[in-house]
Amino acid sequence: ELKVEQNPLFLSMQEGKNYTIYCNYSTTSDRLYWYRQDPGKSLESLFVLLSNGAVKQEGRLMASLDTKARLSTLHITAAVHDLSATYFCAVERAQKLVFGQGTRLTINP
Amino acid sequence: NAGVTQTPKFRILKIGQSMTLQCAQDMNHNYMYWYRQDPGMGLKLIYYSVGAGITDKGEVPNGYNVSRSTTEDFPLRLELAAPSQTSVYFCASSYSLNTNTEAFFGQGTRLTVV
Repeated sequence: ELKVEQNPLFLSMQEGKNYTIYCNYSTTSDRLYWYRQDPGKSLESLFVLLSNGAVKQEGRLMASLDTKARLSTLHITAAVHDLSATYFCAVERAQKLVFGQGTRLTINP
Repeated sequence: NAGVTQTPKFRILKIGQSMTLQCAQDMNHNYMYWYRQDPGMGLKLIYYSVGAGITDKGEVPNGYNVSRSTTEDFPLRLELAAPSQTSVYFCASSYSLNTNTEAFFGQGTRLTVV
């Protein structure tokens, strides 16, 4: 059974700092997704990572995938308040997504 | 471009009542999914469909049923609602997760069973 684990589950940080969210998964997959969810809202796609070594960047967010280590990271550079949200990673297995528990990120001025 | 549309947005049910959560997508996607999200948790797959007429169980299917008579629509039926079904329900669709595309999510239905 595929299990996806994120850490940390809660993260409070100051504006301007850098931090990384980790996503580990238990069985082989070549496809991993990162989503953002604002309180009471739906999920917004951030990144689609399709192969080992894939790296994608959008603004202050950068995601990478190491399929050999079964690990993806979401790196936040010089955080700003607008990035406060819950971030989910999801791993594809047989055309279905298995989600991590989510990381609730709070960025304080 | 509507994307994935869910109705209703909110609903309160009494224990033992039934209801259908509606989901429609206008992107001609083959794959459709129903997830539930409990407070502070990730999403768990209830049912999914790979095309019209084909459905299958996900991780937490008990207490739910689905049908897929058209490519566009994927309703989720709750029979005999229970408090444990209080959750936020998300419908999603995708072209194919084997390609460079993601799953798109609806706005969610917040269901409370009392």
